[in-house]
Amino acid sequence: DAGITQSPRHKVTETGTPVTLRCHQTENHRYMYWYRQDPGHGLRLIHYSYGVKDTDKGEVSDGYSVSRSKTEDFLLTLESATSSQTSVYFCAISVNGEKETQYFGPGTRLLVL
Amino acid sequence: SQKIEQNSEALNIQEGKTATLTCNYTNYSPAYLQWYRQDPGRGPVFLLLIRENEKEKRKERLKVTFDTTLKQSLFHITASQPADSATYLCALPNDYKLSFGAGTTVTVRA
Repeated sequence: DAGITQSPRHKVTETGTPVTLRCHQTENHRYMYWYRQDPGHGLRLIHYSYGVKDTDKGEVSDGYSVSRSKTEDFLLTLESATSSQTSVYFCAISVNGEKETQYFGPGTRLLVL
Repeated sequence: SQKIEQNSEALNIQEGKTATLTCNYTNYSPAYLQWYRQDPGRGPVFLLLIRENEKEKRKERLKVTFDTTLKQSLFHITASQPADSATYLCALPNDYKLSFGAGTTVTVRA
């Protein structure tokens, strides 16, 4: 998993509560990404980061925010979780010097009741 | 808008046969295309990258072709084995991002 960890790995929460997912990398890779994966839709980019405090939106960013205060951590926050945000969330990195290829973490399975 | 389509969601084949997966795209002119493998409950794993000036690329029993005129990539698994059972995703670059197809799930029967 290219030294990428995600926490928590599983979470059940209630509609309207805030949720924060964490992605941690053990090396100083510049690019980090958050995706969600749903049946029939494949992987869709939520947000990505190209450096500390440098982030940008992906194709499905509504209802999500991110923060990157240090190189190794990229946080995804669902400000007020909804049932439509029930999904599997993957973090990925691009290795410095190999920006074309992405390496994925193990995923977080989120259920919003 | 840019669109990526992978053929049928599922492909069932007999061990030893060749599996052929298709990735078609529209409104793209990608400099390269990638294929990833995803096992249940795990994140995708990079397999192969093929550039626009490469017609074919091989890695062990995997072969990828890239036809920029047809806007299509074919992914072949030759001499398939049950261990090849997984979902295969194609991905195209979009600035520093990747856009993924929905994937094709391959099941290889012993």
